Order: sequence, then C-alpha cells, then structure tokens
Amino acid sequence: SQTIHQWPATLVQPVGSPLSLECTVEGTSNPNLYWYRQAAGRGLQLLFYSVGIGQISSEVPQNLSASRPQDRQFILSSKKLLLSDSGFYLCAWTPTGDTEAFFGQGTRLTVV
Amino acid sequence: AQTVTQSQPEMSVQEAETVTLSCTYDTSESDYYLFWYKQPPSRQMILVIRQEAYKQQNATENRFSVNFQKAAKSFSLKISDSQLGDAAMYFCAYRRWVNNNNDMRFGAGTRLTVKP
Repeated sequence: SQTIHQWPATLVQPVGSPLSLECTVEGTSNPNLYWYRQAAGRGLQLLFYSVGIGQISSEVPQNLSASRPQDRQFILSSKKLLLSDSGFYLCAWTPTGDTEAFFGQGTRLTVV
Repeated sequence: AQTVTQSQPEMSVQEAETVTLSCTYDTSESDYYLFWYKQPPSRQMILVIRQEAYKQQNATENRFSVNFQKAAKSFSLKISDSQLGDAAMYFCAYRRWVNNNNDMRFGAGTRLTVKP
C-alpha cells in the first residue's frame, strides 16, 4: 500500500534561517506531488506541484522554492525565512491516472 | 487559474439534523473532479466524497451527499443525521484533468460545529 511521510512534524526557526521540509511517498511510482500552506484558520494555498523529477510548477514563488530530486521525494526550501512563512505545511500526492489526493501529517512551522 | 469559493466561513448544526455546505468554482475545463475533504482538529485531511464532472448523478457516501450543478458551477455538501464527530473544517477542492497533469485547488474552508 502507498504511504506518505512528511517531516518534521513541528519546527521553530528564527527569522533569516534556512528551511528544508521533506516529503516522501512509498509504494507508488511517478506520483504527482504537491506542497500546500495553511495559515491559521484558513484554507489551503497551493504553493508548488510536480508531475515528474525536476518538473516544478510554482503558484506562489515568494520566499520559497521546491525541488524533486527523486521520483518520490519532494522538498520545500527557503534560504531565509520570514515571519510570514509561519503556517501549517502539507505535502500531498496523487497517483497518475487517479483522482483523489492523499496527504501527509503536516508540518507546523513557527518563525520567530 | 481555477478558483474555489466557500462563502460560509462557519456553520453550525444540531446533532441529528441536516446541514448543507456551499461551494462554487470557476473553470473553463470540461473534465475535472470535485472533492470535499474534512480536517478534524488533528489536521489530517480526510476525503469525504468526490464527484466526476462527466457524471450527472450526484455522489453519495452514507450520510454525505452532494448537489452537483455543472452549469452553475456549484458543488454543495449535505450532511444528514449530523453527529458530533462531524465537527471539523470542511474544504471543497477542484482538480482539473489535462493531459495527465493536474493541479488541485482548495476553497477557504467552512468550520462546522455540531451542537449536542
């Protein structure tokens, strides 16, 4: 069966520090991968999505970037965090040819 | 870009009663999928129900059903016999289907409270 791992679960980082959030999917190949951000009490904002290795579509570039170095690995990064980067980050995947998305447990990022 | 609008930030329902959550979307595509996800306090996203745009019949899953109006671009969720465990954030989502590449977008969510 397929599973998705996202870590860390919580993270407190100072302003100006770098960020790296990782997401991996097991039990499938060539998944579509997504990064979403959810501000407190708000909806999910699509940040990036990827349909294959090295293929990244950016919705909200801002201060963040994403990479897909391997088929089932999706990384969200920042060189210098801002206070406004605080939020709940969710990784998700969809099987090729299927419809619904499956979500990781999320990372709560607090920038101080 | 496609947009999803949930006009009800908060809703409440009495236990055992019925509640309807609204969702509208904007798209120029003809093939797409619509979803309702539930996010309880644990923040784990749980799929409630899904609807393929090419199907005219409204999807149902036990106490959950949708009213899909393609021409009006409306996709509401009806929860019957509401239970305390239904309390959560509910998100409407749209996923297009174009050449096997598809992004998925969510509305702002509706917080549902169930009163005992």
